[in-house]
Amino acid sequence: DIQMTQSPSSLSASVGDRVTITCQASQDIVNYLNWYQQKPGKAPKLLIYDASNLQTGVPSRFSGSGSGTDFTFTITSLQPEDIATYYCQQYDNLPLTFGGGTKVEIK
Amino acid sequence: QVQLQESGPGLVKPSQTLSLTCIVSSGSISSGFYYWNWIRQPAGKGLEWIGRIYISGSTNYNPSLKSRVTISVDTSKNQFSLNLRSVTAADTAIYYCARGGELSWFDPWGQGTLVTVSS
Repeated sequence: DIQMTQSPSSLSASVGDRVTITCQASQDIVNYLNWYQQKPGKAPKLLIYDASNLQTGVPSRFSGSGSGTDFTFTITSLQPEDIATYYCQQYDNLPLTFGGGTKVEIK
Repeated sequence: QVQLQESGPGLVKPSQTLSLTCIVSSGSISSGFYYWNWIRQPAGKGLEWIGRIYISGSTNYNPSLKSRVTISVDTSKNQFSLNLRSVTAADTAIYYCARGGELSWFDPWGQGTLVTVSS
């Protein structure tokens, strides 16, 4: 199985701050990586696919980058509605696997 | 915009079989080259892919659960189902269904259904 390691596991930032989350794969997954947002009590929502492509309707303050084994997810200006847990997910190989999640809170 | 909705018992006894159904609406389960997935999330924990099915009936399962899982599809009812046998308390989780590609992302997701394993 491909292991996905996210860091940090949680963070606290102020409104307007730039937030960065990293995801490292245990082997080369090219750009076969997605990012999801999960708000409390809700299902995950796809934000970024193929490492850097913004899903339709997702605000442009969200972005993703990276390839190979190292990936980054960024919120350029944190908003109160961005409070959530964020997950990365690889689809290079079965079984499909997720990172452990990063909980984002407002300071 | 296709929508997914999970249904099934919220409480299952240990050693019994957990059975859930995902109803697909506003679109045909047979259209497009999509795989239909089950994913679960224990309370306060991360996401675990359980497995998936294609409309042909072809399945893939997570090796960690493969011995206990069966996923089936009923195209006439536009739904697919999950059976997880010999459950224990460790199977207590929110279970989600989601659409995906052969190797791609999950979108959309159902709202999820909580299944508790307890006597």
